[in-house]
Amino acid sequence: NAGVTQTPKFQVLKTGQSMTLQCAQDMNHNSMYWYRQDPGMGLRLIYYSASEGTTDKGEVPNGYNVSRLNKREFSLRLESAAPSQTSVYFCASSDPGRGLETQYFGPGTRLLVL
Amino acid sequence: QKEVEQDPGPLSVPEGAIVSLNCTYSNSAFQYFMWYRQYSRKGPELLMYTYSSGNKEDGRFTAQVDKSSKYISLFIRDSQPSDSATYLCAMSGGTSYGKLTFGQGTILTVHP
Repeated sequence: NAGVTQTPKFQVLKTGQSMTLQCAQDMNHNSMYWYRQDPGMGLRLIYYSASEGTTDKGEVPNGYNVSRLNKREFSLRLESAAPSQTSVYFCASSDPGRGLETQYFGPGTRLLVL
Repeated sequence: QKEVEQDPGPLSVPEGAIVSLNCTYSNSAFQYFMWYRQYSRKGPELLMYTYSSGNKEDGRFTAQVDKSSKYISLFIRDSQPSDSATYLCAMSGGTSYGKLTFGQGTILTVHP
């Protein structure tokens, strides 16, 4: 039981390049989330998916797109990376049996945009 | 003004000290209150979960919620070096049900 996994762990991009961050969970959770974490800013929600087939914008969605590929997987895409997107990205999922508020986080992806 | 405010610290205490971490919030619809602990270069992990007002205790950790003052606290008794981490408060409720709003996080160091 791996929980929430994220790939890659670390990535360096040049401005304008694109990339996809992958996330998968094996806990049979309905809801999945993407956050970014910046110094002094806490965790900010980028996009979330309440259930398979649905996605909604969070607090900071500009410059990102998401795909809920199936119940297990939720990917985050940067179409044209900018230095302002340098951050640590966390994926999370939640367990309806314990309440949507209890979220389980992956180990994070550190992204540097030059 | 942020919906959730948390003193980022950093906070440095000696081993064995009582630690108090706090958050204030402005959204009166929040009903679910959580504390997450995040070790360096790791993802956050749930530490405490409280619904509505009151206290909850789990070992050396006590979470308090005062909805009338829109104020939540986490107390750590007999703090240990292994408690050194960033502590994040998080809340949800009302129209934000299912989505968490986080504080900025407080960096805590417990030195031997």
